[in-house]
Amino acid sequence: GESVGLHLPTLSVQEGDNSIINCAYSNSASDYFIWYKQESGKGPQFIIDIRSNMDKRQGQRVTVLLNKTVKHLSLQIAATQPGDSAVYFCAETNQGGKLIFGQGTELSVKP
Amino acid sequence: EAGVAQSPRYKIIEKRQSVAFWCNPISGHATLYWYQQILGQGPKLLIQFQNNGVVDDSQLPKDRFSAERLKGVDSTLKIQPAKLEDSAVYLCASSQPLGVHNSPLHFGNGTRLTVT
Repeated sequence: GESVGLHLPTLSVQEGDNSIINCAYSNSASDYFIWYKQESGKGPQFIIDIRSNMDKRQGQRVTVLLNKTVKHLSLQIAATQPGDSAVYFCAETNQGGKLIFGQGTELSVKP
Repeated sequence: EAGVAQSPRYKIIEKRQSVAFWCNPISGHATLYWYQQILGQGPKLLIQFQNNGVVDDSQLPKDRFSAERLKGVDSTLKIQPAKLEDSAVYLCASSQPLGVHNSPLHFGNGTRLTVT
């Protein structure tokens, strides 16, 4: 069946360091992937997405890498700030399919 | 642009009572979703509407959950009767008509339901 999971449930980084959040997916038919950030008491907020015809996509301070060979997705946050503290979810879908979320990784930024 | 609006923000009820949640999507978003998010987990889709029609309700517990979007804009999700395991955050999301594969979902801040 379809599943999206995260390697680490929690991640603690020092302010100013780079953060890497990982995600594994099992459905090889998935061709669209999204990272969401969820702060306490709020709904998930879109960060960045990537389609399967790409290996890398960059946004402002964030980069998403997709390795289709091993079905792995990662989110890199440069110069992590206290405001980046949140739970990060990866989600996957394919044409006509549902958006399926992973369990989430809680990022904690130490000042 | 205004985001997805949901109310109430919090609700506490006893088991076997009924409860309703309301959602107003982003203007122009034809697709509306209700998700259930249990503490510590990712959101799980309950139902998807395209305008006022149901696209997917395969994971909606239809014996107790119901949802409607009569005029293709606002939506309500109802639980009757509630069970303890229904305690969760209920998130509403909306997107452009092409759906999740072509445009990201925009979420509201959810309604946190506690069933005692």
